[in-house]
Amino acid sequence: GAGVSQSPRYKVAKRGQDVALRCDPISGHVSLFWYQQALGQGPEFLTYFQNEAQLDKSGLPSDRFFAERPEGSVSTLKIQRTQQEDSAVYLCASSPVGGSRSYNSPLHFGNGTRLTVT
Amino acid sequence: RKEVEQDPGPFNVPEGATVAFNCTYSNSASQSFFWYRQDCRKEPKLLMSVYSSGNEDGRFTAQLNRASQYISLLIRDSKLSDSATYLCVVNTNAGKSTFGDGTTLTVKP
Repeated sequence: GAGVSQSPRYKVAKRGQDVALRCDPISGHVSLFWYQQALGQGPEFLTYFQNEAQLDKSGLPSDRFFAERPEGSVSTLKIQRTQQEDSAVYLCASSPVGGSRSYNSPLHFGNGTRLTVT
Repeated sequence: RKEVEQDPGPFNVPEGATVAFNCTYSNSASQSFFWYRQDCRKEPKLLMSVYSSGNEDGRFTAQLNRASQYISLLIRDSKLSDSATYLCVVNTNAGKSTFGDGTTLTVKP
């Protein structure tokens, strides 16, 4: 039984490099979320997709962050010109429902990508 | 002020103890509530949902007070394996879960 899969597990980037983080949600899950978790803090919301539509990107910290889910399954979070403050664990989560029912559905998380910007 | 606030702890308790965690949230339009558990360097995993009438799952009891905008988690007869960070989660708008920063529990022999 496949859960949410994220790759790479670890990524070290030099400041200024671009990175791409991949999330493969549970098959058939409608909703997909990206979260950023800094050390010692809870996950912070970045963006939300319902199928291929990005319905909320209010948490993206700057225009250097971009996410897509073109076919409604796999998603990619791209960070351009990485900065040291981007160092964090990036968590992807999916949920089987969308729309007005999604608020009542718990999230299934992948094991995250730990990004270190040097 | 964060939307969801938790006492960070750490809580250090002996095996068999009862421990309670609290959480407050600021958005009165919040719709649903959860506790997640996160082990060190692992992803958060759902522990239990929290219902208005309160609910129990084995040694775990969750309570919700909508008037006070307060959620609690009680763990009875603590086990070593309960050591983790417990995250309070509140869902407001459709599709967005807001997490607290977590409360760290260490259960000692």
